[in-house]
Amino acid sequence: DTAVSQTPKYLVTQMGNDKSIKCEQNLGHDTMYWYKQDSKKFLKIMFSYNNKELIINETVPNRFSPKSPDKAHLNLHINSLELGDSAVYFCASSQGRGRTEAFFGQGTRLTVV
Amino acid sequence: GNSVTQMEGPVTLSEEAFLTINCTYTATGYPSLFWYVQYPGEGLQLLLKATKADDKGSNKGFEATYRKETTSFHLEKGSVQVSDSAVYFCALPPGGYNKLIFGAGTRLAVHP
Repeated sequence: DTAVSQTPKYLVTQMGNDKSIKCEQNLGHDTMYWYKQDSKKFLKIMFSYNNKELIINETVPNRFSPKSPDKAHLNLHINSLELGDSAVYFCASSQGRGRTEAFFGQGTRLTVV
Repeated sequence: GNSVTQMEGPVTLSEEAFLTINCTYTATGYPSLFWYVQYPGEGLQLLLKATKADDKGSNKGFEATYRKETTSFHLEKGSVQVSDSAVYFCALPPGGYNKLIFGAGTRLAVHP
């Protein structure tokens, strides 16, 4: 059983399109995250949700809109994709608002052409 | 705020060599410290953690000791294998939590 699963694993799309990435965790965790990893492997938090409530929005363009229908799911919708959005996006979850370790999904490699 | 600094890579070693990857941190209080590993094409996996000063985390032959005197959490392994080739990240939660702050990552390449 995959603890944190995100789909799709690869996403290639044209500039200007709108796309979504889905994430689900079966660990019963209260907190979920989206991280962005750039080509140099640098990881940066984008969003953090606790029990479906947005906790952190780290100066991400408003073209990125997370949605958490329940505490096991955190989806990421991106409007008007730009070349600079190309990256690997990781979903993660943890218990206790980040006091403990986070569990990561396999990542979604987004390529905007 | 809390931050973590990690040695730059890449680190290239021969099989069975000794590995050290340096990590230092600044933090208010004593947050838990983590090492994550990312194998090629995969997500991040927790490698080890330490939850308080002087704790030693260990897993798969890797060790790291939470040292508050030197604000360090260096990763070590006595004898690396080719299968250890990956990117290693030091991380900690900031004050107020709700996320992890990661170091820049250190790429390790082990050749036979």
